[in-house]
Amino acid sequence: NAGVTQTPKFQVLKTGQSMTLQCAQDMNHNSMYWYRQDPGMGLRLIYYSASEGTTDKGEVPNGYNVSRLNKREFSLRLESAAPSQTSVYFCASSELAGSEQYFGPGTRLTVT
Amino acid sequence: AQSVTQPDIHITVSEGASLELRCNYSYGATPYLFWYVQSPGQGLQLLLKYFSGDTLVQGIKGFEAEFKRSQSSFNLRKPSVHWSDAAEYFCVRFSSGSARQLTFGSGTQLTVLP
Repeated sequence: NAGVTQTPKFQVLKTGQSMTLQCAQDMNHNSMYWYRQDPGMGLRLIYYSASEGTTDKGEVPNGYNVSRLNKREFSLRLESAAPSQTSVYFCASSELAGSEQYFGPGTRLTVT
Repeated sequence: AQSVTQPDIHITVSEGASLELRCNYSYGATPYLFWYVQSPGQGLQLLLKYFSGDTLVQGIKGFEAEFKRSQSSFNLRKPSVHWSDAAEYFCVRFSSGSARQLTFGSGTQLTVLP
């Protein structure tokens, strides 16, 4: 039982490049989330998926897109990376919206 | 907007000393509240949660937190800190309105002195 897994762990991009961050959970959870963590700002929600087939914007969605591929997988795409997207990205899942969330180990992204 | 405030950015305690990390939440209906811990380079781990009922909740690793509605607070405590408790701690609130999202405090970094 791996919990929440994320790939890759580290990534360096040049401005304008695109990439997709992958997230998978094996806990049969309904809800999944993408956050970014910046120093002194806690975690901020980018997008979430309350259930399979639905996605909604969070606090900081600009510059990102998501896909809830199936119940297990929730990907985050940066179409044209910008230095302001340099951050640590966390994926999380929960059984239902409002229940405790379980976090992946994070992806450290640097955009130069 | 509903918010969570952690007034202390950084706290330093000696090993074996007691610990209290402060958390205040903004006005709103009875919130769902959580404390998470993040060790260096790691993801976040749930320490404890409060949904309703008994206002003193016990968590993992010897932590507890007390919900005080009159003070809009949910402070985290531990009677005797261990060196392995050095980490960043986040107070988190679930917003049950239309957004149905978690709102994170900005975190408190805990340093433990030997």
